[in-house]
Amino acid sequence: QVQLQQWGAGLLKPSETLSLTCAVYGGSFSGYYWTWIRQPPGKGLEWIGEINDRGRINHSPSLKSRVTMSIDTSRNQISLKLSSVTAADTAVYYCARYYHDVLTAYYGSFDIWGQGTMVTVSS
Amino acid sequence: SYDLTQPLSVSVALGQTARVPCGGLNIETKNVHWYQQKPGQAPVVVMFRDTNRPSGIPERFSGSNSGNTATLTISRAQAGDEAAYYCQVWDSNTVIFGGGTKLTVL
Repeated sequence: QVQLQQWGAGLLKPSETLSLTCAVYGGSFSGYYWTWIRQPPGKGLEWIGEINDRGRINHSPSLKSRVTMSIDTSRNQISLKLSSVTAADTAVYYCARYYHDVLTAYYGSFDIWGQGTMVTVSS
Repeated sequence: SYDLTQPLSVSVALGQTARVPCGGLNIETKNVHWYQQKPGQAPVVVMFRDTNRPSGIPERFSGSNSGNTATLTISRAQAGDEAAYYCQVWDSNTVIFGGGTKLTVL
């Protein structure tokens, strides 16, 4: 059974860079898109961006300038960096998986999620 | 940009049917996915591609999508169904989430 395990620093100061890693265990890494989603306390879900096993990246327009995503296929890991954080970036950050069928242009649901990492930005 | 509108809250009596709507312009042309999120937990997909239940999701959960509204229906609501529910679509290679609906089972 596929599991996503994520980790990273939970407390940052304003202007620092958020750094999270998500490891994929127990299943295929290739053929899927790996996504970052965040949820501020008491609020809804916000998509950050995605990367596939070939390194194709797609970002949310609102965060694009601050987001860096990478993939390590040898370790089945994806990473997220978000620069110049502010209090508004305080949230639980999730990694998640979805399947995209290029031929039919079907975008699947996020069927597997990491456990979430609470990141707090405070001076 | 494309917007999805959900009511902040929906209440249902125990054992009755709950309907959680998700509004969007011509949403019927899109594949809608639904997630259930309980406090302190990651979301779980309960419906994908409008009407499809993942394995392990009770048959009490069903979905529909027509016109400008997609709907998640929960029949014979149980206390364990109390959660936030989010609809989600793709638009122009971007993920769009609805604001979420808190379902309360009375």
